[in-house]
Amino acid sequence: EPEVTQTPSHQVTQMGQEVILRCVPISNHLYFYWYRQILGQKVEFLVSFYNNEISEKSEIFDDQFSVERPDGSNFTLKIRSTKLEDSAMYFCARGLAGDLAEQFFGPGTRLTVL
Amino acid sequence: AQTVTQSQPEMSVQEAETVTLSCTYDTSESNYYLFWYKQPPSRQMILVIRQEAYKQQNATENRFSVNFQKAAKSFSLKISDSQLGDTAMYFCVRANAGKSTFGDGTTLTVKP
Repeated sequence: EPEVTQTPSHQVTQMGQEVILRCVPISNHLYFYWYRQILGQKVEFLVSFYNNEISEKSEIFDDQFSVERPDGSNFTLKIRSTKLEDSAMYFCARGLAGDLAEQFFGPGTRLTVL
Repeated sequence: AQTVTQSQPEMSVQEAETVTLSCTYDTSESNYYLFWYKQPPSRQMILVIRQEAYKQQNATENRFSVNFQKAAKSFSLKISDSQLGDTAMYFCVRANAGKSTFGDGTTLTVKP
């Protein structure tokens, strides 16, 4: 199966700082997703992104979050002003063109906010 | 809300034995996918097996197989010949158009 790469694998930041998490899927993928898993809790959907637009987002995805695909390749999740409770694993998933239901996950980025 | 339920928070099995993890789900869609993911202590999300809802045949992947009962909305995972490396959290996931919904997970411990 085509792979999804996420960078960095681990990010440590100070509260209030901006972070950008990156996902590098195969170039023909049109559908992208971000999920979050706070330690000890379930995996939560954040946002889905199709054709360079947000198609769906959860209540968690508030104004401090944004997504974009600036260069047609990397798919990024930006957290503008991190909070302690943003510490979590962030997973990017990609979907194959024309198949919204089939999602494959990247290895995740561990974000630690101090 | 459409949910995914894993009723077994923790399970254990002896090495080389067989274990079955249960999962039920709720959906109003006719077309969807079901997955089992494994999350070891490294916290990476590793795909174990997947099942397309329109396929009646149960998926198998080496020592892993599923029992997919569409009418009952049940999707259990059977692990045969359990190995120490199978120790992990296992998530049942339902994917519809737009997003995936995770169960709460089952922590599986394989004992030597």
